[in-house]
Amino acid sequence: EAQVTQNPRYLITVTGKKLTVTCSQNMNHEYMSWYRQDPGLGLRQIYYSMNVEVTDKGDVPEGYKVSRKEKRNFPLILESPSPNQTSLYFCASSPGRATYGYTFGSGTRLTVV
Amino acid sequence: AQSVTQPDIHITVSEGASLELRCNYSYGATPYLFWYVQSPGQGLQLLLKYFSGDTLVQGIKGFEAEFKRSQSSFNLRKPSVHWSDAAEYFCAVVVNDMRFGAGTRLTVKP
Repeated sequence: EAQVTQNPRYLITVTGKKLTVTCSQNMNHEYMSWYRQDPGLGLRQIYYSMNVEVTDKGDVPEGYKVSRKEKRNFPLILESPSPNQTSLYFCASSPGRATYGYTFGSGTRLTVV
Repeated sequence: AQSVTQPDIHITVSEGASLELRCNYSYGATPYLFWYVQSPGQGLQLLLKYFSGDTLVQGIKGFEAEFKRSQSSFNLRKPSVHWSDAAEYFCAVVVNDMRFGAGTRLTVKP
């Protein structure tokens, strides 16, 4: 089944403890992206990647890192999480640019205390 | 400023009634336009998209949307709502990358 897989689905962590949210797609998509969803704000893009080793900032990149060493994987790294990063996170992939439309993962609900 | 606006935060309709969810955008060029649906605890599922051509677009689950250039709108419609349509709906536009509206939560009354 074609899908985008995120792990974990739920995560509670403490301020300052580094964490990684994994994202993997099995559709051979070139384009991948991370969004965060907050009530009343919709989805805001954190980072995106147009291909292996090519990444760029979205609208809200502060406090996040990403890497794209393989085409299928696009992990999101929070080096020192803070409570304002408590949110619902989505990974998404697309065959080319976003004009094709994204396929979304099921989301990761992160709580930073 | 470039933006996507969904004016209605929350809409309640009765099962079987018609539905229209509004979306307006503010971009210099005509963007690529999308509607996504998010059921509780789920990711986003693509309902339909508009690139060019016929301004009335058919999607999955009986939804359609109409692009109106003069109004910078891309409203989503369904003739008869089912209880399973209760969800959050997001309009999105792509100029350089995908930007989302804040969403409209749909409640369906029995």
